Amino acid sequence: EAGVAQSPRYKIIEKRQSVAFWCNPISGHATLYWYQQILGQGPKLLIQFQNNGVVDDSQLPKDRFSAERLKGVDSTLKIQPAKLEDSAVYLCASRLALRGIYEQYFGPGTRLTVT
Amino acid sequence: QKEVEQNSGPLSVPEGAIASLNCTYSDRGSQSFFWYRQYSGKSPELIMFIYSNGDKEDGRFTAQLNKASQYVSLLIRDSQPSDSATYLCVVIRSASKIIFGSGTRLSIRP
Repeated sequence: EAGVAQSPRYKIIEKRQSVAFWCNPISGHATLYWYQQILGQGPKLLIQFQNNGVVDDSQLPKDRFSAERLKGVDSTLKIQPAKLEDSAVYLCASRLALRGIYEQYFGPGTRLTVT
Repeated sequence: QKEVEQNSGPLSVPEGAIASLNCTYSDRGSQSFFWYRQYSGKSPELIMFIYSNGDKEDGRFTAQLNKASQYVSLLIRDSQPSDSATYLCVVIRSASKIIFGSGTRLSIRP
């Protein structure tokens, strides 16, 4: 079974530029998450999808971050414009279903550096 | 008060000893609890989950949950150098409320 795929693995941009990250979850997983992990901290949930609908985006900075999951499979996370404090690893995870005791499977992450 | 609190460490344990990792949470309505291990530069991977009071054992790992005291712990027996990593406590309050602790860095010294 293929795992969660993410691209790119690394990205360096200047502040005020825009950037987009892509995630392909495990086949059949209805729930998809985007996390931001700043060095030395635990992952912080940004947005959660159930199929192609948003379940929770309360911690997504909507003035600069956006995310979509068209067709309920792949997802993209965009930052526009980027700030220095956005430097972090962006993790995508998927889960079989929203309810129930199901494991989250994480992708390898995208390390973003904003200069 | 943080919703999920962990001692950041580092926790240094000699090889072969028991490592004890603790986590407290603030919401009494929390339903399920997960322990993830994260090696430096890698993604988190699931170690164990628990949702009923008491102990749950899986190989060298034991998770303990005490909902009345609002804490969950992870014990690692016969610690190995390969156990050196950051351990993340994850609390699920509802289907849409997943909260990660900041993690405890564990170092197993030979």
